[in-house]
Amino acid sequence: GIQVEQSPPDLILQEGANSTLRCNFSDSVNNLQWFHQNPWGQLINLFYIPSGTKQNGRLSATTVATERYSLLYISSSQTTDSGVYFCAVYGNTGGFKTIFGAGTRLFVKA
Amino acid sequence: EAEVAQSPRYKITEKSQAVAFWCDPISGHATLYWYRQILGQGPELLVQFQDESVVDDSQLPKDRFSAERLKGVDSTLKIQPAELGDSAMYLCASSKSYEQYFGPGTRLTVT
Repeated sequence: GIQVEQSPPDLILQEGANSTLRCNFSDSVNNLQWFHQNPWGQLINLFYIPSGTKQNGRLSATTVATERYSLLYISSSQTTDSGVYFCAVYGNTGGFKTIFGAGTRLFVKA
Repeated sequence: EAEVAQSPRYKITEKSQAVAFWCDPISGHATLYWYRQILGQGPELLVQFQDESVVDDSQLPKDRFSAERLKGVDSTLKIQPAELGDSAMYLCASSKSYEQYFGPGTRLTVT
């Protein structure tokens, strides 16, 4: 089945710093989403981005489907950006289903 | 803004007891998903419904878990009997096409 790998697994930033999170997937996928899980466990939609580039404020994302990766950029990080960032892909893994990566745990220090 | 509703938010139960979770998707969303998230891991799909039909339940432990969406709207996930290893966050999501929206989850602790 499709494997989804996220890197780095853990990241500590000083407030105001920029960062890039990566999501690699082992096979072609139909869709890809990025989520932020807050400390209460709620998954917040960041981007639905099967291909191309999108921006929303300080966040942007790029998916290069032909090379099987997606990147999430966080600029001018804030303490409220702390949490876990997941990418999720929808592809054929013995039937089409959604597969999540293990996440990147981000802590932004004040 | 429409949201996915879940209840209860927290549940503590003893092993061998039955437990049920409820999910109400965003109005108009035909696809409903149940995920289980073990601490420190990403969510894992348990079951996916398209309207009232099960599309995928390959990861659902069918000896103790059941899920239904009788009228194609809200859904119930049941565990009977609960085991210690079932302690996790249970997340419900819905979608109109492919973009999924998640509810707040139910945090289950089995003692």
